[in-house]
Amino acid sequence: RKEVEQDPGPFNVPEGATVAFNCTYSNSASQSFFWYRQDCRKEPKLLMSVYSSGNEDGRFTAQLNRASQYISLLIRDSKLSDSATYLCVVNHDMRFGAGTRLTVKP
Amino acid sequence: GAVVSQHPSRVICKSGTSVKIECRSLDFQATTMFWYRQFPKQSLMLMATSNEGSKATYEQGVEKDKFLINHASLTLSTLTVTSAHPEDSSFYICSARDQSVRGGSFGYTFGSGTRLTVV
Repeated sequence: RKEVEQDPGPFNVPEGATVAFNCTYSNSASQSFFWYRQDCRKEPKLLMSVYSSGNEDGRFTAQLNRASQYISLLIRDSKLSDSATYLCVVNHDMRFGAGTRLTVKP
Repeated sequence: GAVVSQHPSRVICKSGTSVKIECRSLDFQATTMFWYRQFPKQSLMLMATSNEGSKATYEQGVEKDKFLINHASLTLSTLTVTSAHPEDSSFYICSARDQSVRGGSFGYTFGSGTRLTVV
């Protein structure tokens, strides 16, 4: 089993839709969780950290489920500019999940 | 904020030659540098982790003699692809850890990547 697994998608959603991605991890001792965004042919950029109690940043909500060993990212009111690949990172060893590709269409 | 300057952004080289990619941390000390490779439509694959002044730790399946990593200073790390072949064509990207940063920003900054094409 891979250390970090993501549904690669693609997710094609209309503008304004709500979309959620999950990322499962195998190491139950994992402590640090992050979501990154990567645009085509660009470097990843940190979107948000994931805290135990869950956290929200505008239209983005990140949650951690330790019992089932996954983190999630919820995007509300999707914008065209949200189209990108979303990568999860578990722990400070900086290993990325395969990424989930999101396309928001008009 | 912290910036990692990666050069070159794009390089085309002949098969059999070596290519050096540089990552410089600007205004911060990069005690740890991660090197990744990304093939088209695939995920970022960690190749190696290097700590300043130490030998790099390579991921399983990555040839250390082919991908030479030097992290001799706190602001510079280099990846040299030796005797490059067409199958080495990929997007190479570094990430540096800024030890002075705490909290939500996580302290990792990416270079802008190098697109290597071996012909």
